[in-house]
Amino acid sequence: DGGITQSPKYLFRKEGQNVTLSCEQNLNHDAMYWYRQDPGQGLRLIYYSQIVNDFQKGDIAEGYSVSREKKESFPLTVTSAQKNPTAFYLCASNEGGNSPLHFGNGTRLTVT
Amino acid sequence: SQKIEQNSEALNIQEGKTATLTCNYTNYSPAYLQWYRQDPGRGPVFLLLIRENEKEKRKERLKVTFDTTLKQSLFHITASQPADSATYLCALDMMNQGGKLIFGQGTELSVKP
Repeated sequence: DGGITQSPKYLFRKEGQNVTLSCEQNLNHDAMYWYRQDPGQGLRLIYYSQIVNDFQKGDIAEGYSVSREKKESFPLTVTSAQKNPTAFYLCASNEGGNSPLHFGNGTRLTVT
Repeated sequence: SQKIEQNSEALNIQEGKTATLTCNYTNYSPAYLQWYRQDPGRGPVFLLLIRENEKEKRKERLKVTFDTTLKQSLFHITASQPADSATYLCALDMMNQGGKLIFGQGTELSVKP
């Protein structure tokens, strides 16, 4: 089945450590996105990539980094510079333009 | 900046009734609007897309309206079922920004048997 796989589902880290969240898709989509979801708030865009080897900052990129070396993969690194990293992170992809987003089932990151 | 507001209070309805969820937006005229369903601990799932030149869109028991004058979209679920219980998100496009979407905070719907 085609889809987006995020791993791991739960992730625990100590403050001051960088952590990388995995996102893989086999939908052959050009565009991929990372969103953050906090209780009572809408999804907020962290980074997005419309093509391999290119990506742009979203609304809350500070403290995060990404890479897009392969079409299928768009890993997100949460760095120690992110002041409030504990959240539910969602990866998505689409064919670009106004086509619907396909989401993974998220990674819940807890930093203590 | 763009702002989206959905019903902040959870919506509780009886099975068989019609659920109506609201999405209001300000400071922007989107070219289209999308609705998603999200279950606890899962990613959102796309339901419907409606364009600015469409007044209404239907899919099975779902209906979406888009009033660009009122800057509002309504999402209806007719003959609701307990399985419809979830959080529903609306999202607007950001013009000329590669299909980026702005999401509302979602409305939690609970359908009681």
